[in-house]
Amino acid sequence: KAGVTQTPRYLIKTRGQQVTLSCSPISGHRSVSWYQQTPGQGLQFLFEYFSETQRNKGNFPGRFSGRQFSNSRSEMNVSTLELGDSALYLCASSLDLRGYTFGSGTRLTVV
Amino acid sequence: AQRVTQPEKLLSVFKGAPVELKCNYSYSGSPELFWYVQYSRQRLQLLLRHISRESIKGFTADLNKGETSFHLKKPFAQEEDSAMYYCALWRDDKIIFGKGTRLHILP
Repeated sequence: KAGVTQTPRYLIKTRGQQVTLSCSPISGHRSVSWYQQTPGQGLQFLFEYFSETQRNKGNFPGRFSGRQFSNSRSEMNVSTLELGDSALYLCASSLDLRGYTFGSGTRLTVV
Repeated sequence: AQRVTQPEKLLSVFKGAPVELKCNYSYSGSPELFWYVQYSRQRLQLLLRHISRESIKGFTADLNKGETSFHLKKPFAQEEDSAMYYCALWRDDKIIFGKGTRLHILP
């Protein structure tokens, strides 16, 4: 079966712009989580959605937001981009809320 | 606050030698712990979880509640084990990751 698909794979944006990243979970998985991965901070939890509801949120500013659609696909939005937002953004889906399957990520570069 | 600590950023081990990647956690309840691995240019993937007490690719990890540790071990390192390893704690519908240890297997 298809894995977790993230699009696009790479993005280059300018400071102040906004960006939307997309994640398609494994079929049947209703939980989708987002993580930011950077060399300095490692993997940091952004938020988790289950059946279109955000159940948990990490310690990120309000510029970071997300949503989940009825087909479990999820999008993440970052507004007013800053240089420090450059990172690999990972999406993970889960059936049993524990064993996450990760996508390949979207590498965002802010210039 | 829940925390996962991996004290080594880099661990270099000769091929055939034993491997131990250290992980300590801080959590007041009953932890659910995992090891994830990221090989070069591949996606992050689950290696093992403590509740299943399984051995994957020769790796094992035992939960020691007294020492609050969940060290990853393998008796004989192989070159293909070179990767980034993350220890992780699950609770409240999210996974808290350690900073990771890069394992480098020397020929």
